[in-house]
Amino acid sequence: GAVVSQHPSRVICKSGTSVKIECRSLDFQATTMFWYRQFPKQSLMLMATSNEGSKATYEQGVEKDKFLINHASLTLSTLTVTSAHPEDSSFYICSARALDRRNTGELFFGEGSRLTVL
Amino acid sequence: SQQGEEDPQALSIQEGENATMNCSYKTSINNLQWYRQNSGRGLVHLILIRSNEREKHSGRLRVTLDTSKKSSSLLITASRAADTASYFCATGGTSYGKLTFGQGTILTVHP
Repeated sequence: GAVVSQHPSRVICKSGTSVKIECRSLDFQATTMFWYRQFPKQSLMLMATSNEGSKATYEQGVEKDKFLINHASLTLSTLTVTSAHPEDSSFYICSARALDRRNTGELFFGEGSRLTVL
Repeated sequence: SQQGEEDPQALSIQEGENATMNCSYKTSINNLQWYRQNSGRGLVHLILIRSNEREKHSGRLRVTLDTSKKSSSLLITASRAADTASYFCATGGTSYGKLTFGQGTILTVHP
């Protein structure tokens, strides 16, 4: 099956620092990756859609300067939380749509990255 | 507004019993998917049902879709303790892949 690797799985940082989270599709090419945020015992909230080689599309209310997304290749997208604050602490999950299965609607998810900002 | 409202929010059953979770949505869809999430982990795709389908099976899973009522149900038969997880429905408007998730149902299966 298609595997999406997310790294790091857990990160603790000080307030004001920036944190980068990587999302890689290991055995398939992904033209589109999605970044979600999930608070404890809540659903996933779509933050942005990342297309290879172009600028990300952010959902309403998501600060693009705060959450920088780069999708430099067909297998890698990164989310950088800039100048992190405690309220940015959350579980961030990426998902990818396989290039050769783009009409199936199926997404493959990473294992998530838990960010704690002190 | 939030697509994919699910009920119940939490469900607790004994091993061997069936578990039924329901999902309602508000706008037209291209497909509806169900995902499972173990605590603190990513999501695992369970099953996708297209808007022109009414029922779909996969192992112990049975999904129904009623587009007239804008609702779907996920039935897990002969549940096991390992089925304990959160289950989310997600709706997709086009083949583009953008999904909107429901609030989820927390299923606990007691051994």
